[in-house]
Amino acid sequence: QVQLQESGPGLVKPSETLSLTCIVSGGSVSSGSYSWSWIRRPPGKGLEWIGYIYYTGSTNYNPSLERRVTISIDTSKNQFSLKLSSVTAADTAVYYCARAVTRDAFNIWGQGTMVTVSS
Amino acid sequence: SYELTQPPSVSVSPGQTASITCSGDKLGDKYACWYQQKPGQSPVLVIYRDNKRPSGIPERFSGSNSGKTATLTISGTQAMDEADYYCQAWDSSTVVFGGGTKLTVL
Repeated sequence: QVQLQESGPGLVKPSETLSLTCIVSGGSVSSGSYSWSWIRRPPGKGLEWIGYIYYTGSTNYNPSLERRVTISIDTSKNQFSLKLSSVTAADTAVYYCARAVTRDAFNIWGQGTMVTVSS
Repeated sequence: SYELTQPPSVSVSPGQTASITCSGDKLGDKYACWYQQKPGQSPVLVIYRDNKRPSGIPERFSGSNSGKTATLTISGTQAMDEADYYCQAWDSSTVVFGGGTKLTVL
């Protein structure tokens, strides 16, 4: 079955760029039926959607993060990525990648990766 | 921006029925779904399209959505159901999560 796995640094310095990758196995990111999202959960807080991408490269971002977020997709490597610029301590969170059937629920999630923003 | 509102906490005795609400403007005109998240684990989809259960989700989980409110109902609540629960909907082309509800089984 389809599995998602996040990877990337667990520690990022303030003002730098957070970069994460989600590797997709057991299925293809090139399927037109799905959107591929990044979602985070800060410590002690709830889930926050960051944005999604389709295999075509079309994206949509949370308006509250839009000016700092870039999501890209690499169909040749079957993965998609997140870049979040100018990070602060408020960006410390567990970051998840997830798959949704287009405009439907997130039925597959990665295990999550903790990212701490600290000098 | 669109908002979904959930109660921060709900308590229920084992074997009883737990109801968790999610409110948003004209939410009944959208599909609502629900996720369960236990400490240290990824969220798990328990209800989609208002009232559909994914395979492997126990029948005690059910959902409804009408007017401004979507409701997740857990019948015969078990200790293993203690978790955080999040509602989610799509507003235009963006994804919105509720703030989450901590369900305590005591």
